[in-house]
Amino acid sequence: EAGVTQSPTHLIKTRGQQATLRCSPISGHTSVYWYQQALGLGLQFLLWYDEGEERNRGNFPPRFSGRQFPNYSSELNVNALELEDSALYLCASSSGQLTGANVLTFGAGSRLTVL
Amino acid sequence: GQSLEQPSEVTAVEGAIVQINCTYQTSGFYGLSWYQQHDGGAPTFLSYNALDGLEETGRFSSFLSRSDSYGYLLLQELQMKDSASYFCAVRGDTDKLIFGTGTRLQVFP
Repeated sequence: EAGVTQSPTHLIKTRGQQATLRCSPISGHTSVYWYQQALGLGLQFLLWYDEGEERNRGNFPPRFSGRQFPNYSSELNVNALELEDSALYLCASSSGQLTGANVLTFGAGSRLTVL
Repeated sequence: GQSLEQPSEVTAVEGAIVQINCTYQTSGFYGLSWYQQHDGGAPTFLSYNALDGLEETGRFSSFLSRSDSYGYLLLQELQMKDSASYFCAVRGDTDKLIFGTGTRLQVFP
């Protein structure tokens, strides 16, 4: 069974540009979560999608947005990039069941560097 | 809102036992989870407690006291490969899984 896959692995952008990160969940998982992990810091919750709908978002500005496609894959877009957006962006999926919602399977992440 | 506190760093020697504590504040409670993350790697699920008490999975155990809003991860027979960051995470009424800032465990020979 394939795990959570993310692309690209690394991405280098300059300030003001836009970045698009992609995530494919485990087959059968309907929920996708996005987290930001800045160097040496914990995981900051960004967005949660389930069944194609945005269910919740963290304390991030609106230039962080995303969507979930009918096949449950997801895309995270970051507009007007700032230097502090440099981080590892982790995608995770879950089955969405009550206990399952606490068990996230993470992808290897996309490392975004903003110059 | 939701918040979690855990120590920033813990050190121990091979073969020892180490306990990583986590206290949380949340509106509503749907379980406390623990994740392990090696440097450069993805977080991986270790354990989950929804009810009070101890859950054992091999060398790792996790404990929860809902009345104290407190839990811990117990690692026994430490091995060098256990050197990693450990995160507690809680799901509350907001339904999102919020992670602590992580505890970096260094195991020395």
